[in-house]
Amino acid sequence: AQSVTQLGSHVSVSEGALVLLRCNYSSSVPPYLFWYVQYPNQGLQLLLKYTTGATLVKGINGFEAEFKKSETSFHLTKPSAHMSDAAEYFCAVKGTNAGKSTFGDGTTLTVKP
Amino acid sequence: NAGVTQTPKFRVLKTGQSMTLLCAQDMNHEYMYWYRQDPGMGLRLIHYSVGEGTTAKGEVPDGYNVSRLKKQNFLLGLESAAPSQTSVYFCASSYSQTNHNEQYFGPGTRLTVT
Repeated sequence: AQSVTQLGSHVSVSEGALVLLRCNYSSSVPPYLFWYVQYPNQGLQLLLKYTTGATLVKGINGFEAEFKKSETSFHLTKPSAHMSDAAEYFCAVKGTNAGKSTFGDGTTLTVKP
Repeated sequence: NAGVTQTPKFRVLKTGQSMTLLCAQDMNHEYMYWYRQDPGMGLRLIHYSVGEGTTAKGEVPDGYNVSRLKKQNFLLGLESAAPSQTSVYFCASSYSQTNHNEQYFGPGTRLTVT
């Protein structure tokens, strides 16, 4: 079985501040991990993914995430928030059940001017 | 490439009516999925398909049927709509069963059942 927990359904930061969105996963096999972003009234699009190899993964728009096996975590960070980062962010895991992802409940990021 | 497209974008149904949502992808992907998105509940998998002519149940399949007669199309049907099916529906596709392949999402269909 596989599952994802996103800590904090809403996160608010000031423009220029650090963004940290938390994701913990459970998987009975080595996982593949993804972060997706959803802008208002749009579908989800891939931010970044971890498959194998380097545990620090860089994605689009300055985001990055670090796979920590010992902590079963895959937190998403960005050093300096921009107003355009306001969106909903989803963490997803693929482990068992080839082809099917399990998504977290999502975290809504608000960026204050 | 258009990617993943969904029709219609919006629909209002009365309880008991039926409808079909169409998803099309032009990326030659094997896998296709239907999700529903409700506030605070993330994305829940309704049905999915691992190839032309195949379908399988996901997490919340009751009240929905699907068909994959052509590789590029995945249809989601509601035979008798209920207010509990008011939601935003997303279609997605991915290249293969390899776990590192991400999903590509359509823009969504917002369905209201009154």
